[in-house]
Amino acid sequence: DSGVTQTPKHLITATGQRVTLRCSPRSGDLSVYWYQQSLDQGLQFLIQYYNGEERAKGNILERFSAQQFPDLHSELNLSSLELGDSALYFCASSAGGLMNTEAFFGQGTRLTVV
Amino acid sequence: DQQVKQNSPSLSVQEGRISILNCDYTNSMFDYFLWYKKYPAEGPTFLISISSIKDKNEDGRFTVFLNKSAKHLSLHIVPSQPGDSAVYFCAASGSSGTYKYIFGTGTRLKVLA
Repeated sequence: DSGVTQTPKHLITATGQRVTLRCSPRSGDLSVYWYQQSLDQGLQFLIQYYNGEERAKGNILERFSAQQFPDLHSELNLSSLELGDSALYFCASSAGGLMNTEAFFGQGTRLTVV
Repeated sequence: DQQVKQNSPSLSVQEGRISILNCDYTNSMFDYFLWYKKYPAEGPTFLISISSIKDKNEDGRFTVFLNKSAKHLSLHIVPSQPGDSAVYFCAASGSSGTYKYIFGTGTRLKVLA
């Protein structure tokens, strides 16, 4: 158990809809990262938050947005969903700060858009 | 632009032998490198990391080697076990203001009993 909790584990929704994925980081971790993995491809970095503020942005679509709340949990919002958005979405957390440390991943949310 | 590359999509190794997984990177600002192991339908699990100030880091059966001049790292697993069969991702991070982890496309390792 990595200590990172993602909900829900599975989500099936229709095209055009909006969904929210939730992530609770490991206790004490200030950084949260979101990744997308499509069809057994690599992990595509979407966005990072550190202590409530956006720290880095990757190839995140404008239809997607995220935020990190004061209790450090994070939500990834996906709107106007398309079939191609079907993927595994992973959240990871790390201590953050100035020292490089490893990131720990949650079990992922499998999103299926039909 | 693929900043972290794993050019071998798959690798098969006999049980007990050495598995060598390779990774190349292009961004010289990366200074921290990690290997993750991933089983289907699970999140990646951290294996081992190395800072750019080192050229080798060892943890049990796992050793990571870093060649900064070649922008290349490798993961050695000795001896390989059937339970090591998984997809292995290398990742890189930089401390120049952002700490995002950039992942390679993964290498599927199959250890044959």
